[in-house]
Amino acid sequence: EPEVTQTPSHQVTQMGQEVILRCVPISNHLYFYWYRQILGQKVEFLVSFYNNEISEKSEIFDDQFSVERPDGSNFTLKIRSTKLEDSAMYFCASSPRGRPPMNTEAFFGQGTRLTVV
Amino acid sequence: GQQVMQIPQYQHVQEGEDFTTYCNSSTTLSNIQWYKQRPGGHPVFLIQLVKSGEVKKQKRLTFQFGEAKKNSSLHITATQTTDVGTYFCAGTPGYSTLTFGKGTMLLVSP
Repeated sequence: EPEVTQTPSHQVTQMGQEVILRCVPISNHLYFYWYRQILGQKVEFLVSFYNNEISEKSEIFDDQFSVERPDGSNFTLKIRSTKLEDSAMYFCASSPRGRPPMNTEAFFGQGTRLTVV
Repeated sequence: GQQVMQIPQYQHVQEGEDFTTYCNSSTTLSNIQWYKQRPGGHPVFLIQLVKSGEVKKQKRLTFQFGEAKKNSSLHITATQTTDVGTYFCAGTPGYSTLTFGKGTMLLVSP
């Protein structure tokens, strides 16, 4: 069964350092997303990506964040200068369609646990 | 901003008891989805409801979408220990992206 894969599963970084979280969405999907979940809290939307550009982003997704689809398969989230409060589980998700009323389920990866020390 | 609110935050039941979680939005939703996240896992899609008043069943799980498309519920009949996890509703207010509720953590004691 196709799945979204994320690497690494756990990343520890020093405050102020840049990190890149990687995702390989399901191959025939068109919409890609990044969500984050601080421990014990809800899943928060960061950004959605379609047709090689950001289609929507949340208030959390400020200038320190960026996304890229550098080739036909990878989808990356870069955090330029990490802060302690960026520590969270970051989930990548993809869906075959993303915009209402056609949007369908989001398939989530296993997540990358980012710890900023 | 647009919010999807979910109650209760936490529920502890004995195996065999029923469980219900409720989801409410301040704005009309284009559709609503339900996800389950096992402890330490990632959200896994359960179902999507699109039509006003829609009711769908998956074995012991019953999902409802309100007539006004602003609320939804998930009801589990006769819970089992395998039902443990956090249940999230996720709505699409208008034409924006999927917005998750805070989730209801379900604990089932044998």
